[in-house]
Amino acid sequence: AQSVTQPDIHITVSEGASLELRCNYSYGATPYLFWYVQSPGQGLQLLLKYFSGDTLVQGIKGFEAEFKRSQSSFNLRKPSVHWSDAAEYFCAVELAGKLIFGQGTELSVKP
Amino acid sequence: EPEVTQTPSHQVTQMGQEVILRCVPISNHLYFYWYRQILGQKVEFLVSFYNNEISEKSEIFDDQFSVERPDGSNFTLKIRSTKLEDSAMYFCASSGTSGGAGETQYFGPGTRLLVL
Repeated sequence: AQSVTQPDIHITVSEGASLELRCNYSYGATPYLFWYVQSPGQGLQLLLKYFSGDTLVQGIKGFEAEFKRSQSSFNLRKPSVHWSDAAEYFCAVELAGKLIFGQGTELSVKP
Repeated sequence: EPEVTQTPSHQVTQMGQEVILRCVPISNHLYFYWYRQILGQKVEFLVSFYNNEISEKSEIFDDQFSVERPDGSNFTLKIRSTKLEDSAMYFCASSGTSGGAGETQYFGPGTRLLVL
C-alpha cells in the first residue's frame, strides 16, 4: 500500500542554521510529491511540489526539496532557518487525486 | 488571494448528536475534499466530491458521514450521530479543474470537533 513516512516527529534547530526534514514514500509509479506547512491556527499551505523533470524543486519561503528515486525520498531543505519557520511540516504523495500524508514533523526554532 | 474558509473553528458536541461542518471552497474550483486529523495522528483522506457526487471515499467515511453542496458556494460535511472517536480536526480542501495529476489542493484552517 502507498505510504509516506516522516521519521522525525520533532526537530529543533537554531535560527540561522540549515534544516533538512526527511520524507520517504512507498509508491509504485512516479509519484506526485508535496510538502505542506501548517502554522498554529492556520490551514495547510503548499510549500512546493514535484511532478517530473528537474529533481530539485524550489518552493516558497526559501524552501527546496530533492526527489531521489533510488532512495524513495523527498527531503525538504532550507539553508538558513528563520524563527517564523516554526510550524508543522507534512510530506504527502498523491494517489488518484487524494493526498496521503506523513505523520508530520514539528519544527522548533531556538534563538 | 482567494482562500478556503471553514466554520465553525471549534465545535463541542455530545455523543450521538448530529454536527454539520461548513466550508466555502475557492470560488472557481470544481473538486472538493474533506480530510481529518485525530490528535497525534496523520492527516487522513475522507472523501472527494465533484459534479455533485462523491468521487471517492475512504473506509472511514461510513454511513454516518455525508457531504453536500447545498448551493453554489458551500460544501458541508455532516456526521449524523457523533462518536467519541470522531473527535478530530477536520480540513476542507478544494482544487481547480482536473482533481488529480498533481493539482494543488488548497486547504482551509480546519474545524476542531470535540465529542463528549
